[in-house]
Amino acid sequence: AQSVAQPEDQVNVAEGNPLTVKCTYSVSGNPYLFWYVQYPNRGLQFLLKYITGDNLVKGSYGFEAEFNKSQTSFHLKKPSALVSDSALYFCAVRDDSGAGSYQLTFGKGTKLSVIP
Amino acid sequence: DAGITQSPRHKVTETGTPVTLRCHQTENHRYMYWYRQDPGHGLRLIHYSYGVKDTDKGEVSDGYSVSRSKTEDFLLTLESATSSQTSVYFCAISEGLAGGETQYFGPGTRLLVL
Repeated sequence: AQSVAQPEDQVNVAEGNPLTVKCTYSVSGNPYLFWYVQYPNRGLQFLLKYITGDNLVKGSYGFEAEFNKSQTSFHLKKPSALVSDSALYFCAVRDDSGAGSYQLTFGKGTKLSVIP
Repeated sequence: DAGITQSPRHKVTETGTPVTLRCHQTENHRYMYWYRQDPGHGLRLIHYSYGVKDTDKGEVSDGYSVSRSKTEDFLLTLESATSSQTSVYFCAISEGLAGGETQYFGPGTRLLVL
């Protein structure tokens, strides 16, 4: 069965500092990995995804994520955090083997707070 | 929110009453999904549809039914609402199911069952 873990419920970072939101996954086959962001009282917005190829994926709003197959991780990063980045972040995985019926499995979310 | 609307956006109902939530898309995507979001659980799939009148169960389908009579509309029904179904419900759409297909989400419906 496929699964996703976001080990930190909350991450606090000072404005201007780099930020990292962690995600690890488990799949039977190869993973397709996604990051979404949710602002208060809004739906989830797609940030970026890893399909294949370059391990460093660039996405919206200056975010990027690094796929690490040996560590089964897909951490979200940004070089300089903004107060407006404060939100709830979700990692999701899909197993290309079909073991999870090609559905997305989401992590429990990490609340990012950027402190002015 | 990617051409997806959900109605109502907020609803308060009583235990035992039926409730129907509606998702409407203007993207003509084949796949539509219903998720629920609860603290500490992330998003969990309730049901999904792969075409008109074609639906399948997700991880947490007990107590829910769905219908899709038109490409653009996907209805979620709670036949007899319970307090455990108090949640935020999100609809999502995608062009395909497998591979790198991205799901796009609606704004959500906040449901409170008293």
